[in-house]
Amino acid sequence: SAVISQKPSRDICQRGTSLTIQCQVDSQVTMMFWYRQQPGQSLTLIATANQGSEATYESGFVIDKFPISRPNLTFSTLTVSNMSPEDSSIYLCSGLAGDVLADTQYFGPGTRLTVL
Amino acid sequence: GNSVTQMEGPVTLSEEAFLTINCTYTATGYPSLFWYVQYPGEGLQLLLKATKADDKGSNKGFEATYRKETTSFHLEKGSVQVSDSAVYFCALKSRSEKLVFGKGTKLTVNP
Repeated sequence: SAVISQKPSRDICQRGTSLTIQCQVDSQVTMMFWYRQQPGQSLTLIATANQGSEATYESGFVIDKFPISRPNLTFSTLTVSNMSPEDSSIYLCSGLAGDVLADTQYFGPGTRLTVL
Repeated sequence: GNSVTQMEGPVTLSEEAFLTINCTYTATGYPSLFWYVQYPGEGLQLLLKATKADDKGSNKGFEATYRKETTSFHLEKGSVQVSDSAVYFCALKSRSEKLVFGKGTKLTVNP
């Protein structure tokens, strides 16, 4: 299994500002993902973080709003840009160990973001 | 495409009651099936998994059996505790496809 940590664990931000969330995995994973969980909802995949190249975004999510970096196999960042109250959510990092056919994803503890 | 349907919540039980949370799925091929749990204020933890038909996943007294004939993966526990209060997510993943979640079922266990 993989142990995933995130920083910060929570933050309260002002409208129009940006926040960068860091994700660290304790072992090498082949794939890393970022999810959003709006209050009382299930998880929605934002993007797949690709090492050394641009992330792959899901429909409804764009790089200008959610820039993602993954400089190496064990670290990734997600920035929530030009925030509005609608961005208030839990943001979760996830890792998949093994090849593309592997099945088990592990999740970080999440970053609880409140935008005022 | 792949999808997961799980029982609507919230579910409220008394301590030591029997728990069932229903989960059914639609998928091509032979997906792996998962239950994740999210305790209040925390991220998702993998609770159990099953990778092929008739497999039973189990952990912390919870069990779920991969039933291909009924496309189901119901979560059960014989005697719940207050500490089991959480949101439970059923999920599936087919090879090379993305992880697909159900909507989640909130469980509250009262002493």
